[in-house]
Amino acid sequence: DVKVTQSSRYLVKRTGEKVFLECVQDMDHENMFWYRQDPGLGLRLIYFSYDVKMKEKGDIPEGYSVSREKKERFSLILESASTNQTSMYLCASSLVGQPMNTEAFFGQGTRLTVV
Amino acid sequence: AQTVTQSQPEMSVQEAETVTLSCTYDTSESNYYLFWYKQPPSRQMILVIRQEAYKQQNATENRFSVNFQKAAKSFSLKISDSQLGDTAMYFCAFMKNGGGGADGLTFGKGTHLIIQP
Repeated sequence: DVKVTQSSRYLVKRTGEKVFLECVQDMDHENMFWYRQDPGLGLRLIYFSYDVKMKEKGDIPEGYSVSREKKERFSLILESASTNQTSMYLCASSLVGQPMNTEAFFGQGTRLTVV
Repeated sequence: AQTVTQSQPEMSVQEAETVTLSCTYDTSESNYYLFWYKQPPSRQMILVIRQEAYKQQNATENRFSVNFQKAAKSFSLKISDSQLGDTAMYFCAFMKNGGGGADGLTFGKGTHLIIQP
């Protein structure tokens, strides 16, 4: 089974801290994504990557950056955490090419609270 | 850009009943995929069903089926013989064809479905 693992289920950080959210997948997927999930807003795409060292902005990239130094790992970085970044963060991965890329596999989410 | 709209924030039905969740979308793409994802309280997102836009036949997966109306840009999910384990958030999602899927999914805001015993 494909496994997408996020390093923390719950995280509490202080305003202004630099925060790293880590995601690792074990199925050699090319595509990796970071989404943010808020009640009443659904999931919104922050950043995605289709290859090592490649990254593209999604719909809400402001205040975030990403790093993909290895194929299996995709990190989301909050340079200076703010309270409006309190949210659930979901990582996902998928293969390139159809129809395989039509199924995204998700991690279990990191609930981040910024105080 | 595309948008996905789920107009029912919450629904509640009795166990064994049939329930239909609504989804509409807007896109200028002609070739795309549509999905329903389920997120139970465990937070694990699970793919329920997918539909290729070029296929006229509606997708089915056991108790789950869709009603895909391409001209109306409508994509509803029907759950038959609902079970307590169907209680979850359900998200409708869109993905355009091409680009290797790297653009990701566009999600609706979700419908919280509660199955009552």
